Amino acid sequence: DGGITQSPKYLFRKEGQNVTLSCEQNLNHDAMYWYRQDPGQGLRLIYYSQIVNDFQKGDIAEGYSVSREKKESFPLTVTSAQKNPTAFYLCASSIKVRGLGPADTQYFGPGTRLTVL
Amino acid sequence: GIQVEQSPPDLILQEGANSTLRCNFSDSVNNLQWFHQNPWGQLINLFYIPSGTKQNGRLSATTVATERYSLLYISSSQTTDSGVYFCAVELAGNTGKLIFGQGTTLQVKP
Repeated sequence: DGGITQSPKYLFRKEGQNVTLSCEQNLNHDAMYWYRQDPGQGLRLIYYSQIVNDFQKGDIAEGYSVSREKKESFPLTVTSAQKNPTAFYLCASSIKVRGLGPADTQYFGPGTRLTVL
Repeated sequence: GIQVEQSPPDLILQEGANSTLRCNFSDSVNNLQWFHQNPWGQLINLFYIPSGTKQNGRLSATTVATERYSLLYISSSQTTDSGVYFCAVELAGNTGKLIFGQGTTLQVKP
């Protein structure tokens, strides 16, 4: 089936640890995105990538890092520098050729719930 | 930065009722999308609607870009419509970045 997968579904982290959240898509989409959602809130953009080996900071990038070595994969690392990492993390992708026109519809993965113990 | 405001924040309906959700935005945008987030957190695309009107079954949406608002209509609501409805706008500049509103939480009672 085509779609976006995220793993793990639930993740527990001790303070001071780095953790990496996986996001994979087989939709052949150019662009991928990471969002954070806090309880009762909308989504806020952490990082986005419009092409392999290139990514841009979103609105709340501090304490996070990403890589885009393959078109299908956009992993997010939550570092120990992120002071309040407990949240729901959502990955998305869309057909988006950099610099050309608005993005197509964004499709979302099922999310990862990260809890810091 | 751009502001995206949704109203009402919460809505309780009896099954079978109709409702209108509103999304106001403060600046010009490239596109606007409506999403439904189910109780398990999954976001489902409802509409990609930078302007005009679209319909999909019991749902329809209208965006008036010149007046900077969009409306989502739900007719004959069902309990499965419960969840949070978000609108999100893409800023002009072709970055693909979406700015989300705070959402409308809908509860449909049987």
